[in-house]
Amino acid sequence: EDQVTQSPEALRLQEGESSSLNCSYTVSGLRGLFWYRQDPGKGPEFLFTLYSAGEEKEKERLKATLTKKESFLHITAPKPEDSATYLCAVQASGAGSYQLTFGKGTKLSVIP
Amino acid sequence: DAGVIQSPRHEVTEMGQEVTLRCKPISGHNSLFWYRQTMMRGLELLIYFNNNVPIDDSGMPEDRFSAKMPNASFSTLKIQPSEPRDSAVYFCASSSSYRGTYEQYFGPGTRLTVT
Repeated sequence: EDQVTQSPEALRLQEGESSSLNCSYTVSGLRGLFWYRQDPGKGPEFLFTLYSAGEEKEKERLKATLTKKESFLHITAPKPEDSATYLCAVQASGAGSYQLTFGKGTKLSVIP
Repeated sequence: DAGVIQSPRHEVTEMGQEVTLRCKPISGHNSLFWYRQTMMRGLELLIYFNNNVPIDDSGMPEDRFSAKMPNASFSTLKIQPSEPRDSAVYFCASSSSYRGTYEQYFGPGTRLTVT
């Protein structure tokens, strides 16, 4: 069974204080690892897909990295508008296997 | 381009009533997913369709839940009869497997409250 564990559950940062969120996973063959951002009262918003160990992707102050067992979402010099819950999900390889298994998320609060 | 559309956004109903949630996926997407999100359990996949055909409904909690996708642009999730423990936010998401990328795009959700 595919599993995703995110840590910490909640993270409180001062504006400009860089940090990282962790996503540990077990999956029987990884097709892709996905990061989403979810604001209160809204649906998850797609950020990145990572496909293989060593891959990195960046978007503004966010950078996602991937190893064979975990992924990190690095936040550089965060701003209050980066406050949200960040969700990690994995998709297993295999014909017709399109579902995502989600972690419970890390709630990030950036204080001005 | 319109994203995934869900209706209603909020639904309050009494225990025992039938509830129908609706979803319009992104045009051109061939996979559709229904999720339920609660504080305790996070995001759980209920069922997903590929090319309008249900592929995996193992996440559907019990026979009170049913889902249909009569065509590529519409899907429903029905709960009959509803119970208080069904209270949650229900999300619909769609994706395209044609391009070899599999990210899912979520709708705004339906917040269901069963009293």
